[in-house]
Amino acid sequence: GAGVSQSPSNKVTEKGKDVELRCDPISGHTALYWYRQSLGQGLEFLIYFQGNSAPDKSGLPSDRFSAERTGGSVSTLTIQRTQQEDSAVYLCASSFQGKPNEKLFFGSGTQLSVL
Amino acid sequence: AQSVTQPDIHITVSEGASLELRCNYSYGATPYLFWYVQSPGQGLQLLLKYFSGDTLVQGIKGFEAEFKRSQSSFNLRKPSVHWSDAAEYFCAVAPDNDYKLSFGAGTTVTVRA
Repeated sequence: GAGVSQSPSNKVTEKGKDVELRCDPISGHTALYWYRQSLGQGLEFLIYFQGNSAPDKSGLPSDRFSAERTGGSVSTLTIQRTQQEDSAVYLCASSFQGKPNEKLFFGSGTQLSVL
Repeated sequence: AQSVTQPDIHITVSEGASLELRCNYSYGATPYLFWYVQSPGQGLQLLLKYFSGDTLVQGIKGFEAEFKRSQSSFNLRKPSVHWSDAAEYFCAVAPDNDYKLSFGAGTTVTVRA
């Protein structure tokens, strides 16, 4: 597609349920990032994928969070046993090669609300 | 600890007036510096970036930013704001050779007629 696509745009779930968030990066971009944007706070790095390398999971806040990227393209962020503090906007971004000086292209995000 | 600070949470400006958004960072060396804008319901869009060279960089939508090493600052400016500039603005920093951007908390800009 022309840009980074995320789905769903909004997700409301009950505490304790599992959720899956999807990101479809720009075709040809080898790097993919997940960030979390909580109300009144900046973006928090979660995870980074680059090509076939092992992902950098250093930003995942707990073992309830996991992500995968299949075939070097689409990525899914999974949150198990959701908690109210997981409520946030989850943003996906991609870049051409994942270099520090590259422009990131962001999706519109998934607004997650945990009741 | 490394950090990015945007001191102003919210700024209100009149249409046609000038705008300046502040950003300070604390890193050991000169990092890569970015400004992103997030319009309501939209993803973040890159306005401009600085790596080296001329400390005054021009971006899209008439924005510019100036890097001041002595102040560890990278402030964003626009001489005359338009109503469409109402958005949230994020300063971001990537330490040398690190792909992980650190973002400030953002500054929300409201434009009044």
